[in-house]
Amino acid sequence: GNSVTQMEGPVTLSEEAFLTINCTYTATGYPSLFWYVQYPGEGLQLLLKATKADDKGSNKGFEATYRKETTSFHLEKGSVQVSDSAVYFCALIRYNQGGKLIFGQGTELSVKP
Amino acid sequence: DVKVTQSSRYLVKRTGEKVFLECVQDMDHENMFWYRQDPGLGLRLIYFSYDVKMKEKGDIPEGYSVSREKKERFSLILESASTNQTSMYLCATRFTEGQPQHFGDGTRLSIL
Repeated sequence: GNSVTQMEGPVTLSEEAFLTINCTYTATGYPSLFWYVQYPGEGLQLLLKATKADDKGSNKGFEATYRKETTSFHLEKGSVQVSDSAVYFCALIRYNQGGKLIFGQGTELSVKP
Repeated sequence: DVKVTQSSRYLVKRTGEKVFLECVQDMDHENMFWYRQDPGLGLRLIYFSYDVKMKEKGDIPEGYSVSREKKERFSLILESASTNQTSMYLCATRFTEGQPQHFGDGTRLSIL
């Protein structure tokens, strides 16, 4: 079946450090992939997406590349800020099931000044 | 901007009570979803609705039901609340399949 696996958190970084949050998936076909972010006390917001192999999604300095050969969609940012502290969710879309999303378990990021 | 409003941010209820969680959207979106969020488990889909009066079970529908009498409102009902339903509940909407989902701020429900 379809599934998404993320690296476990919490991840604690100093400001301006490089960030990588790993995400791998299992799916039939070629699903679209997403990263959502949840800031404290809020709902989820779409951060970026990629719809086909080798696509790179980017937003607010974050990037992720859809790697079909490794079934991965790792999130990266070159220099994190305290305001990036949040929970990050990787997700894929199940097109053969009405476009429902499958989420990873979430990775909490804490950035210290 | 899409606005998805959940009626309560925090709610405390007792075991056996019938609990209603309300979600309202202002963008005429066809699709609406209810998830629960638990540490280490991510988001799990409870129910979703493609249109008014239409509903389908998600991955964990047991103990829940839903109602969608109007396009803008999607209600989640806990028929007889139990302590294992203590969780964060998130509502989401989507214009149509293939479009991103927009989330409300969540309702943190505690069942005592």
